[in-house]
Amino acid sequence: EDQVTQSPEALRLQEGESSSLNCSYTVSGLRGLFWYRQDPGKGPEFLFTLYSAGEEKEKERLKATLTKKESFLHITAPKPEDSATYLCAVRPNPEVRDSNYQLIWGAGTKLIIKP
Amino acid sequence: KAGVTQTPRYLIKTRGQQVTLSCSPISGHRSVSWYQQTPGQGLQFLFEYFSETQRNKGNFPGRFSGRQFSNSRSEMNVSTLELGDSALYLCASRGVTEAFFGQGTRLTVV
Repeated sequence: EDQVTQSPEALRLQEGESSSLNCSYTVSGLRGLFWYRQDPGKGPEFLFTLYSAGEEKEKERLKATLTKKESFLHITAPKPEDSATYLCAVRPNPEVRDSNYQLIWGAGTKLIIKP
Repeated sequence: KAGVTQTPRYLIKTRGQQVTLSCSPISGHRSVSWYQQTPGQGLQFLFEYFSETQRNKGNFPGRFSGRQFSNSRSEMNVSTLELGDSALYLCASRGVTEAFFGQGTRLTVV
């Protein structure tokens, strides 16, 4: 069964303390892995798409990496404004099995950066 | 380029009433998906429309329905509202790959 698991559920860091969020997945053929940021009461904001193992994407203090089983969202020297819930989703390849091509979502990691 | 627009942003309804939510996707996007988000359940897929046809449906009761118009705008309807329908309803617009979300409609059922 296709599944996405994010860890930890919550992470509290001091400003400037670098860390990583994990997204483990099992899927029948990966069409793409997506990272989003969500602030309370708002819609998720798209961050990155990764397609194949070894791929990396960067944006400001965030870097996303991908292996065949998991993705990491590395946050370097975070600031309080980086506090949010970070969501990971995968899109199965409908040509591998009869999937409906819908995104499969993780439960998210709530990141809190203390000044 | 305008983003995804959802209206209204906030809504308070009484049990038993019905509600219609609206979503205008990014220009050129033909796929619109709807999600329900609650604190305990995360993002739950409701349905997806593509070129006015429902392409996929999640595991929700028939009280939840939707449609898409020829200009790709989509509406979602919930009939006979229950207290448990209180949630943030999100619409996502997709072009080729990435999905972009609107700000959501916060529905409170009292």
